[in-house]
Amino acid sequence: DIMVTQTPLSLSVTPGQPASISCKSTQSLLHSDGKTYMYWYLQKPDQPPQLLIYEVSIRFSEVPERFSGSGSGTDFTLKISRVEAEDVGVYYCMQSVQFPYTFGQGTKLEIK
Amino acid sequence: QVQLQQWGAGLLKPSETLSLTCAVYGGSFTDYFWSWIRQSPGKGLEWIGEISYRGVTNYNPSLKSRVTMLADASKNQFSLTLTSVTAADTGVYYCARGGRPRIWGQGTPVTVSS
Repeated sequence: DIMVTQTPLSLSVTPGQPASISCKSTQSLLHSDGKTYMYWYLQKPDQPPQLLIYEVSIRFSEVPERFSGSGSGTDFTLKISRVEAEDVGVYYCMQSVQFPYTFGQGTKLEIK
Repeated sequence: QVQLQQWGAGLLKPSETLSLTCAVYGGSFTDYFWSWIRQSPGKGLEWIGEISYRGVTNYNPSLKSRVTMLADASKNQFSLTLTSVTAADTGVYYCARGGRPRIWGQGTPVTVSS
């Protein structure tokens, strides 16, 4: 299985400040179809995960522009340009280039 | 606006069979794969597998011997069966649209305890 490792595991951010989460995979996430299958989710308290970013950098429907994804190969980053109170929760990355799809351990973001 | 409504037994004894169903409201059932994911304190998020409306499946090898997924396009529903459960199968089970999940159901807590 492809392992994905997130850092940091927790993050405390002042509202209005940026935040960044890293995800590294043990194999390249570049598929033979030319797409790179890195997904980012946010799980708010007591809710299911919600998709933020797919295929490295494409924001899902209605996701605010302050969320952005970047990276290639095995190294990926989720950035929040200016953190808001509603961004609290646990962020997960997921690789879906190869079965079984696998998730990172999660990064808990809290507001200072 | 697509909505996924899931249900099933939430308390099982070891060796019993877990059965969950997910109904899809709004949107196409035949245009997507559908998946199951579970979340436990010990293992985090774990992708269980996916199924198409035609019944094409891909399972996580770690669960493959115990998992069956079925799809019923006439009802816009799909289901998960996991046999011989143990305490390690305790967690919240989610259904989702997409083999690469994009829209998630609310989750069904499942506890396996004697």
